[in-house]
Amino acid sequence: GQQVMQIPQYQHVQEGEDFTTYCNSSTTLSNIQWYKQRPGGHPVFLIQLVKSGEVKKQKRLTFQFGEAKKNSSLHITATQTTDVGTYFCAGGGGSYIPTFGRGTSLIVHP
Amino acid sequence: DVKVTQSSRYLVKRTGEKVFLECVQDMDHENMFWYRQDPGLGLRLIYFSYDVKMKEKGDIPEGYSVSREKKERFSLILESASTNQTSMYLCASTWTGDWGSSYEQYFGPGTRLTVT
Repeated sequence: GQQVMQIPQYQHVQEGEDFTTYCNSSTTLSNIQWYKQRPGGHPVFLIQLVKSGEVKKQKRLTFQFGEAKKNSSLHITATQTTDVGTYFCAGGGGSYIPTFGRGTSLIVHP
Repeated sequence: DVKVTQSSRYLVKRTGEKVFLECVQDMDHENMFWYRQDPGLGLRLIYFSYDVKMKEKGDIPEGYSVSREKKERFSLILESASTNQTSMYLCASTWTGDWGSSYEQYFGPGTRLTVT
């Protein structure tokens, strides 16, 4: 079945540094979604990418979908303490059920 | 605003007890999901329902069952709770669109279940 690998599992950064998390799928995806889960909270939808090579920005967050639609990345510029949390990707393809990556936990040191 | 609510934030049960976790959504979504979340393992799908009385097994259905008698309500049942079912349980819902397409999921606040 479809598998979505996400790396790294953890990332420690100093406030102001950049951060990137990567997702790779074993199969071609129809779309990819990104979620953020704050400590003690539940996952909250951030964005969905559908097109090959698509790039979307939300303030300091940049999301990319690979040309082959098998990989994606989330890049945060100049991290802040409010960025702390776990970021999940979820790949869609072939059904209503997306496949979640295991998440990347971002720890920001002030 | 979509709201997904879960019956309890925290629950403590004893081994062997029957446990009911309830989830209600108010957006008329067709699809509802139950996940469990454990450190380092991400979100693992237990069961999925795409309509009233319809269900499909997810990746880890063993030891669980579900019920969907009304569109807005999706219940997860642990027939005989065991300590390895201690976890965070998350419910989610989404709408149905084109077949083969998944859409943004709206999650409930989660139930942290401890089985002693």
